[in-house]
Amino acid sequence: GNSVTQMEGPVTLSEEAFLTINCTYTATGYPSLFWYVQYPGEGLQLLLKATKADDKGSNKGFEATYRKETTSFHLEKGSVQVSDSAVYFCALANTGNQFYFGTGTSLTVIP
Amino acid sequence: DAGVTQSPTHLIKTRGQQVTLRCSPKSGHDTVSWYQQALGQGPQFIFQYYEEEERQRGNFPDRFSGHQFPNYSSELNVNALLLGDSALYLCASSPLSSDTEAFFGQGTRLTVV
Repeated sequence: GNSVTQMEGPVTLSEEAFLTINCTYTATGYPSLFWYVQYPGEGLQLLLKATKADDKGSNKGFEATYRKETTSFHLEKGSVQVSDSAVYFCALANTGNQFYFGTGTSLTVIP
Repeated sequence: DAGVTQSPTHLIKTRGQQVTLRCSPKSGHDTVSWYQQALGQGPQFIFQYYEEEERQRGNFPDRFSGHQFPNYSSELNVNALLLGDSALYLCASSPLSSDTEAFFGQGTRLTVV
């Protein structure tokens, strides 16, 4: 079946620290992989995506590389800001646009 | 482009009641999916509608039903509400032609008391 496992939170970092949020997946076929971000009281916003192995998705300083050999899609950012505080969801989608989400990782960045 | 819009934003219902949530997809999108996000959890797929038919369904009971209209907008209905149905309900729209694109609305926060 399809499932996503992501790093348990919460994560607290100081501003300008390096961020890694781990994500691994199990899937049938060749899924697309995503990171979504959710700010308090809001819906999901697409942060980045990768549609095939070895693709790198990037946006707003965040990056993630689709690693088929390790079934992973870890999220990284070199220098976090207070405004990055949010909940981050790793997700996969197979044919038919049905998304499977991880449980989310809460990030708090302190000045 | 208004994106995906959902209404209402918040709703309080009593156990046993019925509720209807609404979603208007992004312009040009013909497929609508519904997700339930319980507090502290990731969204769980409820079902997907295309051409006014339910195309896929997740592991949710028949109390959860839906509808899609000719203009692609959609409704989610939940009957015989339980306390455990309290959650954020998210609508996602996508073009059927794409397997890698979904835009989410802001959600409807349902509280069952």
